[in-house]
Amino acid sequence: QVQLHESGPGLVRPSETLSLTCTVPVGSISTYYWSWIRQSPGKGLEWIGHNAFRGSAKYGPSFRGRVTISVDSSKNQFFLRVTSVTAADTATYFCARDAVRGHWFDSWGQGSLVTVSS
Amino acid sequence: SYVLTQISSVSVAPGQTARIPCEGDNIGGKVVHWYQQRPGQAPILVVQNDVGRPAGIPERFAGSNSGNTATLTITRVEAGDEADYFCQVWDYSGNSFVFGSGTTVTVL
Repeated sequence: QVQLHESGPGLVRPSETLSLTCTVPVGSISTYYWSWIRQSPGKGLEWIGHNAFRGSAKYGPSFRGRVTISVDSSKNQFFLRVTSVTAADTATYFCARDAVRGHWFDSWGQGSLVTVSS
Repeated sequence: SYVLTQISSVSVAPGQTARIPCEGDNIGGKVVHWYQQRPGQAPILVVQNDVGRPAGIPERFAGSNSGNTATLTITRVEAGDEADYFCQVWDYSGNSFVFGSGTTVTVL
């Protein structure tokens, strides 16, 4: 397990863009795929997508066309952008590290609550 | 897309065994992972690759997977095991991670 840390606004207006940053330990960003996962209040987990430095981004079926995940190795950070948000996008957003040897998540951030409201 | 179904809750007395099923079409042909999420905290991996335990996870946590059901079994349940538990697979046809809906374990 490594420490990941989400940051970004806690409140976003409807129809605007949600932007979050995840900071990862120095030196590790180039080795892994990095994911965003969200959890709506009182609900389950939903994979948004992942990307890697010099990798190709993949997105969950519910998010294709509305989400961008990018990686900046110089800052040891990766990012989430969700456009045209609605109240349904209100959730806790987690960043996570994809395991190298399989399709699971071996490290998670503590989560960042984002509320969509006017 | 692939769907994983979990029962909403399981109640168990301390010292007893909790069994948490995760159902999916031919899930036995997939690789299942399990996470524990305590209230207000991030999930942590408790079983990987159907039956493996990450470092630091007690032997009381065990996974199995066959047919249309994967199961997380917690033996000698303790108060600290009270949490939500989620199963997860990689859906190759949809190119996507998929989570179950989660099961809340209540220790009586």
